[in-house]
Amino acid sequence: DAGITQSPRHKVTETGTPVTLRCHQTENHRYMYWYRQDPGHGLRLIHYSYGVKDTDKGEVSDGYSVSRSKTEDFLLTLESATSSQTSVYFCAIRGQGKGYGYTFGSGTRLTVV
Amino acid sequence: GEDVEQSLFLSVREGDSSVINCTYTDSSSTYLYWYKQEPGAGLQLLTYIFSNMDMKQDQRLTVLLNKKDKHLSLRIADTQTGDSAIYFCAASETSYDKVIFGPGTSLSVIP
Repeated sequence: DAGITQSPRHKVTETGTPVTLRCHQTENHRYMYWYRQDPGHGLRLIHYSYGVKDTDKGEVSDGYSVSRSKTEDFLLTLESATSSQTSVYFCAIRGQGKGYGYTFGSGTRLTVV
Repeated sequence: GEDVEQSLFLSVREGDSSVINCTYTDSSSTYLYWYKQEPGAGLQLLTYIFSNMDMKQDQRLTVLLNKKDKHLSLRIADTQTGDSAIYFCAASETSYDKVIFGPGTSLSVIP
């Protein structure tokens, strides 16, 4: 969807290095979410934000932090990447349209070696 | 908390109808969704239904909700090979709360 973009699309990084993934929206939505998708686990919520500088933890937040200094940007940081964080990461926004359903970004495939 | 369950696989012949089933545990879930994910892509919202509705039809898609049994289904009429994808059922209690996803049903359409 053109209203939300994620960068980078692919990344390979080494164990122990910090990594930041970016989610950018042009819809001016208040709510933004970071999920990870893994085989056998489906989609699991990492962190979410309900406004600038307002964030909260999801079910798998250990090892991750987030920041939201502007409405349009929601950053996910892996403080010290581990192999268990190899995954596909999706950002989502939620607005009034479409029954308040999520609009997802195209995802970031992260490999930690 | 909310838990959403789906069967993992479904195989149908092209032209037949597909029915994907889902159950959820939280009777407070008000917003119910079906998403589609094609290989290498993000999730795309297909359709949604509110808990005060029993049925919703959108072209080839029909959503049925049995609130008493907490059961949601997605019927795809005249299934095509392009419908091959993973379909996720999802539920949310409010318009701003997090959405809980099922594990996804992989639909294979046999030509």
